[in-house]
Amino acid sequence: GAGVSQTPSNKVTEKGKYVELRCDPISGHTALYWYRQSLGQGPEFLIYFQGTGAADDSGLPNDRFFAVRPEGSVSTLKIQRTERGDSAVYLCASSLTSATTGELFFGEGSRLTVL
Amino acid sequence: AQSVTQPDIHITVSEGASLELRCNYSYGATPYLFWYVQSPGQGLQLLLKYFSGDTLVQGIKGFEAEFKRSQSSFNLRKPSVHWSDAAEYFCAVGAGSGGNKLVFGAGTILRVKS
Repeated sequence: GAGVSQTPSNKVTEKGKYVELRCDPISGHTALYWYRQSLGQGPEFLIYFQGTGAADDSGLPNDRFFAVRPEGSVSTLKIQRTERGDSAVYLCASSLTSATTGELFFGEGSRLTVL
Repeated sequence: AQSVTQPDIHITVSEGASLELRCNYSYGATPYLFWYVQSPGQGLQLLLKYFSGDTLVQGIKGFEAEFKRSQSSFNLRKPSVHWSDAAEYFCAVGAGSGGNKLVFGAGTILRVKS
């Protein structure tokens, strides 16, 4: 596709369950970012990949959150033992090189609701 | 720690009127600054960015922003607002190593009345 694709667009789960959110970046973009946006807030940085490796994971809130990008393209954000406080829109973005030299292209997000 | 403040949660302007959205940042070095717009059902879109050089930067859709180091501000302006500009606007600063970690403000919701 032409843009960043995120699936699912909506996910409702129960407290304690495991969730995976997928991001398919723009073809050829080497940098990939995950952000979380809670209601009434701006996006909050979670993790940044350059290629296959996580260049900065300082925004992951705790060890229940994990992200991978095994082939340097598609990325999966994994949340274990979900809590109600994890409810938010999870945004993925990609860029050709890096945020400081290129534009970040954002997907529409995956809305996670934990009941 | 880096931070961004957008003092106005909501702003309402009449169509055709001028617009200024305020943004103040906290960052120790020369900042990388961005404005993004988020329309319902769409992803965040970059309006403009400042890295260095001319402090007045032009963006898409007729928007511009001015970097003022002395005021730690990067306000967004548009001389004449269109109804299609109604959206939420986010200011961000590039933080972390190389500035790749964007720190966003809480956003300003713009309403346009006819």
